[in-house]
Amino acid sequence: GAGVSQSPSNKVTEKGKDVELRCDPISGHTALYWYRQSLGQGLEFLIYFQGNSAPDKSGLPSDRFSAERTGGSVSTLTIQRTQQEDSAVYLCASSLDPGDKEQFFGPGTRLTVL
Amino acid sequence: GNSVTQMEGPVTLSEEAFLTINCTYTATGYPSLFWYVQYPGEGLQLLLKATKADDKGSNKGFEATYRKETTSFHLEKGSVQVSDSAVYFCALIPERLTGGGNKLTFGTGTQLKVEL
Repeated sequence: GAGVSQSPSNKVTEKGKDVELRCDPISGHTALYWYRQSLGQGLEFLIYFQGNSAPDKSGLPSDRFSAERTGGSVSTLTIQRTQQEDSAVYLCASSLDPGDKEQFFGPGTRLTVL
Repeated sequence: GNSVTQMEGPVTLSEEAFLTINCTYTATGYPSLFWYVQYPGEGLQLLLKATKADDKGSNKGFEATYRKETTSFHLEKGSVQVSDSAVYFCALIPERLTGGGNKLTFGTGTQLKVEL
């Protein structure tokens, strides 16, 4: 399909391990966003990419979280030394350009930290 | 800062009942306002939007009107169906953002269950 895809759909990990979550935006979309959906915090913004650069990282909760985007396409969100409070659904969205207010969301990655 | 407040759920209605989900916001100027829907097991989908005061967004029988004077964007539907059962999120994008982009600020979501 032509939508936003994310992998894996589910990830179970042990506390202290590192995880990588992948987002494949809609082809041609230059703006990419990561959000987190958790029971305690609701839906919250993490980071925004324009092309390969991230002008807004204000939502990353700690320095254990990082993200990159390569080729103006795929993005990877990395969480180091995972903690139980990192358990959440991580959502990726893309839009055609930064001025476009309509974002298309992927199905999310459900992360469980034991 | 910017924030969105929406009524708590879950909301349980009978089929063909009238639906209102309240949403109010805090933001300077004229933010753009959105309703997103999340069906069971699926990702977020944009349901409708309004980008300026007094605009009415509509889609699939749902409507919401941007009310600047009450800073509200209540979601309504005249006759709900079982297939409308989902979680509904109100959200905004501020009028002006530093750093570029259009990051969404969401409400906490309202779960709707429609029964026969």
